[in-house]
Amino acid sequence: GQQVMQIPQYQHVQEGEDFTTYCNSSTTLSNIQWYKQRPGGHPVFLIQLVKSGEVKKQKRLTFQFGEAKKNSSLHITATQTTDVGTYFCAGKRQSGNTGKLIFGQGTTLQVKP
Amino acid sequence: DADVTQTPRNRITKTGKRIMLECSQTKGHDRMYWYRQDPGLGLRLIYYSFDVKDINKGEISDGYSVSRQAQAKFSLSLESAIPNQTALYFCATSETSGGARETQYFGPGTRLLVL
Repeated sequence: GQQVMQIPQYQHVQEGEDFTTYCNSSTTLSNIQWYKQRPGGHPVFLIQLVKSGEVKKQKRLTFQFGEAKKNSSLHITATQTTDVGTYFCAGKRQSGNTGKLIFGQGTTLQVKP
Repeated sequence: DADVTQTPRNRITKTGKRIMLECSQTKGHDRMYWYRQDPGLGLRLIYYSFDVKDINKGEISDGYSVSRQAQAKFSLSLESAIPNQTALYFCATSETSGGARETQYFGPGTRLLVL
């Protein structure tokens, strides 16, 4: 079945350093979404990417969707302690569309002040 | 979101017991989902429902059943709980298919421990 792989599983950074998490799908996606889960919380939607090669920015966060629509990345510039949490990508398969999202395993970010 | 509520928030039960986790939403969304979260495994889909008469198995439905009592309510049952069903369970909703309407809104989660 379709898989969405996300790396790394954990990342510890010093406050002010950059951070990137990568998401790779075994099949072409129609779109990809990113969610953030704060410690003890629930996943909260951040953004959706739809177009091949799309790049979107939210303040210090930059999201990219690959040209082949099989991979995506989230880059955080100059991390802050408020960025702590687990970041999930979630892809929707392009063919045989069932409307389901397949979530990656998540990347847990720790930021040392 | 307060629009998606789950009860109970925490539950301890024993092996073999039947338990039900409940989810309610006031967002008016047609689509509802049940996920379980385990460390290192992310969110895995158990069941989903695109409307009241539509129930579908997700990737890990064995040992679980669901009921969509109304548009606003979607319950998950463990007929005979076992320890490897210990996990954090999330309910989620989405409006429909297409663009921003596919955004999923998660409830606060139910932490289940099966002894």
